[in-house]
Amino acid sequence: GESVGLHLPTLSVQEGDNSIINCAYSNSASDYFIWYKQESGKGPQFIIDIRSNMDKRQGQRVTVLLNKTVKHLSLQIAATQPGDSAVYFCAEEARYSGAGSYQLTFGKGTKLSVIP
Amino acid sequence: KAGVTQTPRYLIKTRGQQVTLSCSPISGHRSVSWYQQTPGQGLQFLFEYFSETQRNKGNFPGRFSGRQFSNSRSEMNVSTLELGDSALYLCASSLELAAYNEQFFGPGTRLTVL
Repeated sequence: GESVGLHLPTLSVQEGDNSIINCAYSNSASDYFIWYKQESGKGPQFIIDIRSNMDKRQGQRVTVLLNKTVKHLSLQIAATQPGDSAVYFCAEEARYSGAGSYQLTFGKGTKLSVIP
Repeated sequence: KAGVTQTPRYLIKTRGQQVTLSCSPISGHRSVSWYQQTPGQGLQFLFEYFSETQRNKGNFPGRFSGRQFSNSRSEMNVSTLELGDSALYLCASSLELAAYNEQFFGPGTRLTVL
């Protein structure tokens, strides 16, 4: 499959455990945040998003936490499964003046390996 | 419904050549965005097209250009290829402008420049 990144931080977790993937963002003007999952040979897949007026959002087995004070974002995956093994990216979005003008910046990613 | 498709999946070119990549969005999606992914820089936004107009642009040189057709299909062109252009090029589509909307990514085109 495609190699999406060399020298990525790696998180290894036991199947069934919870996983926490962290991301520091840089732009204090960012007001929308997204987590993506990228499996080998595939494009990124949307997991969950959160707007800056929230500090927590839950999906199916996933929770995103946003701490604007320290510009930190985390993705929690409950009961991690082998199918969760992938590279996870956070992305931050900041809108600028002008219709449709925005800046979307991706983190470098974290590789999650689930041990069966 | 069918997802985002990109052609070709793999491409090998030499320095100085030009290349055109194609992206077909999900049916009904009007926005197509292009990204470059490399091990060193990660995912970087190239540009977004909506209703045949470039609506947003990343920080890439003018050698990178694109267009969108009336059926929302999009092409990306890179002229005067450099070794550093070797990357996975991803396109993503969304119903409306990508800002604050979910984007659906294709599998990418792996470009190798020799």
